[in-house]
Amino acid sequence: EDKVVQSPLSLVVHEGDTVTLNCSYEVTNFRSLLWYKQEKKAPTFLFMLTSSGIEKKSGRLSSILDKKELFSILNITATQTGDSAVYLCAVPGTSGTYKYIFGTGTRLKVLA
Amino acid sequence: SQTIHQWPATLVQPVGSPLSLECTVEGTSNPNLYWYRQAAGRGLQLLFYSVGIGQISSEVPQNLSASRPQDRQFILSSKKLLLSDSGFYLCAWSVRGPVGVSYEQYFGPGTRLTVT
Repeated sequence: EDKVVQSPLSLVVHEGDTVTLNCSYEVTNFRSLLWYKQEKKAPTFLFMLTSSGIEKKSGRLSSILDKKELFSILNITATQTGDSAVYLCAVPGTSGTYKYIFGTGTRLKVLA
Repeated sequence: SQTIHQWPATLVQPVGSPLSLECTVEGTSNPNLYWYRQAAGRGLQLLFYSVGIGQISSEVPQNLSASRPQDRQFILSSKKLLLSDSGFYLCAWSVRGPVGVSYEQYFGPGTRLTVT
């Protein structure tokens, strides 16, 4: 059965800290892994990763995929209070189903 | 550019009342459409998805149903709401591409439903 597990479940840091969020997956015919940020409302898309070892970067956020070990990490450097959110990762399910399998998320709180 | 709309934004309904939530997508054709529910402090639960008009796949047996009467319209319904139906309902879309190719999924603003 397709599965996505995120860790830690929650995290509290201070502004300026660097955080690393983890996402491991089990899926038949892996195609991609997606990261989202969810504040009070709908998730917003951050990154889609398809190839191992190639870092995707957007400002202070970066992410990398390891297809051999079946995981991805999302790094946030110099955290700000605006980074406080739930971070979700997802993988498309078994090829042909068009479903996306989401992890339960990591709740990040950044203190001023 | 593509836009996804959902309404209403918030809804308070008594137990046993009917429900209709609507989602429309603009700026794309033949999208895959999805309904998710998120209970407070929990992850996203996929309820239904659709790859075309009239084609609905149900993921969780419950008192909800979905319909896709037009290419870019997706409706979530219930004949009689339960307390457990309370939650944050999200509609999402993705490009429908060839099998084996994946695309990003984009979410609408959501409907917060409280069943009293």
